[in-house]
Amino acid sequence: RKEVEQDPGPFNVPEGATVAFNCTYSNSASQSFFWYRQDCRKEPKLLMSVYSSGNEDGRFTAQLNRASQYISLLIRDSKLSDSATYLCVVNAGFDTGNQFYFGTGTSLTVIP
Amino acid sequence: DGGITQSPKYLFRKEGQNVTLSCEQNLNHDAMYWYRQDPGQGLRLIYYSQIVNDFQKGDIAEGYSVSREKKESFPLTVTSAQKNPTAFYLCASSRIGQGGYEQYFGPGTRLTVT
Repeated sequence: RKEVEQDPGPFNVPEGATVAFNCTYSNSASQSFFWYRQDCRKEPKLLMSVYSSGNEDGRFTAQLNRASQYISLLIRDSKLSDSATYLCVVNAGFDTGNQFYFGTGTSLTVIP
Repeated sequence: DGGITQSPKYLFRKEGQNVTLSCEQNLNHDAMYWYRQDPGQGLRLIYYSQIVNDFQKGDIAEGYSVSREKKESFPLTVTSAQKNPTAFYLCASSRIGQGGYEQYFGPGTRLTVT
């Protein structure tokens, strides 16, 4: 079983739409959780960390459900510039060597 | 300017040659990582290091070697033993702590071996 699983998509949505991505992780002892954005042929860049209480950054909202081992990302009012691959990332914690586990990414294309 | 630098951006080599990819960070991060990404696929961990002069194999370490002689530097050598070396190589770093910290990436090196 993969450490982190996410729907690869692709998601093709019109400008202004709301889109949600989901991710599950297998290690219940995981310590920290993130969403990264990766543009074509570029490095991943941190979009936001995900906290148990949920957190929002502008049009982006991230949620964590530790009981279900589930992470989500909601993008409201999609822009053309949101087109990218979104990676769900989990840190297994200091005791496991501070390793990061990546989902394979969910592809989003926002259509004019 | 704080960050992670990787050089070169593009690298071409003939089969059978070893090649070393550079990674330097000035973020004062303890941990550094090397990943490989193939087209349409996720990141796979090659090696990681949490402290100077110590490193651990990741999921796909065969055919690769690393060193960590300085905190800010973590070069990766792709040896001739690596069967399919053509890929996008990403170096990353992070702080270390109980709560877990985010990871930052360099711009990557695209290696093509023919």
